[in-house]
Amino acid sequence: ETGVTQSPTHLIKTRGQQVTLRCSSQSGHNTVSWYQQALGQGPQFIFQYYREEENGRGNFPPRFSGLQFPNYSSELNVNALELDDSALYLCASSNPRDGAYEQYFGPGTRLTVT
Amino acid sequence: DAKTTQPNSMESNEEEPVHLPCNHSTISGTDYIHWYRQLPSQGPEYVIHGLTSNVNNRMASLAIAEDRKSSTLILHRATLRDAAVYYCILRQLYNFNKFYFGSGTKLNVKP
Repeated sequence: ETGVTQSPTHLIKTRGQQVTLRCSSQSGHNTVSWYQQALGQGPQFIFQYYREEENGRGNFPPRFSGLQFPNYSSELNVNALELDDSALYLCASSNPRDGAYEQYFGPGTRLTVT
Repeated sequence: DAKTTQPNSMESNEEEPVHLPCNHSTISGTDYIHWYRQLPSQGPEYVIHGLTSNVNNRMASLAIAEDRKSSTLILHRATLRDAAVYYCILRQLYNFNKFYFGSGTKLNVKP
């Protein structure tokens, strides 16, 4: 069973640029959630995708957007990057049929905005 | 947003029990309490979860106060591999099962 993978591992971008981060969910999981984790803080929920539709969003502006594909992999897109967007971006996959609603996290993508 | 409060850090001796507290005074009746831990350079991993009753699994125990405004994660015998940041999380059942992480407790285990 392959776990959750994310790419790239690290990324450096300039303020104002756009970035796309990718996540492959664990086999059998149809739900992907994205989180932003600033240094020394807990992860903050960005949004969630279930069967290719966004079905929940945290307090993030519209320049944070996403996609989920038929194979349940997902992308996080951030437009007009700001310095405060520098963080570890985590994705997690889950299967709503799992009573524990356990989320399986990837290792994250470290984004630095200069 | 659902909110949890945890101490910033705690220290334990190896092979001794550890009690990690969490306050969630604004919890609603349908919010689940989850605990995850995050090792350095890794994503968080599931530890345990519960709704009202105390829970045990192979990793830990979860004690939930009767009014559900607080909970305690119990590691029965801490090992060096348990050194991590432990997050107390509320999952909102009727809000797309959103997870609201606290700021976490960094657990240091001394040999």
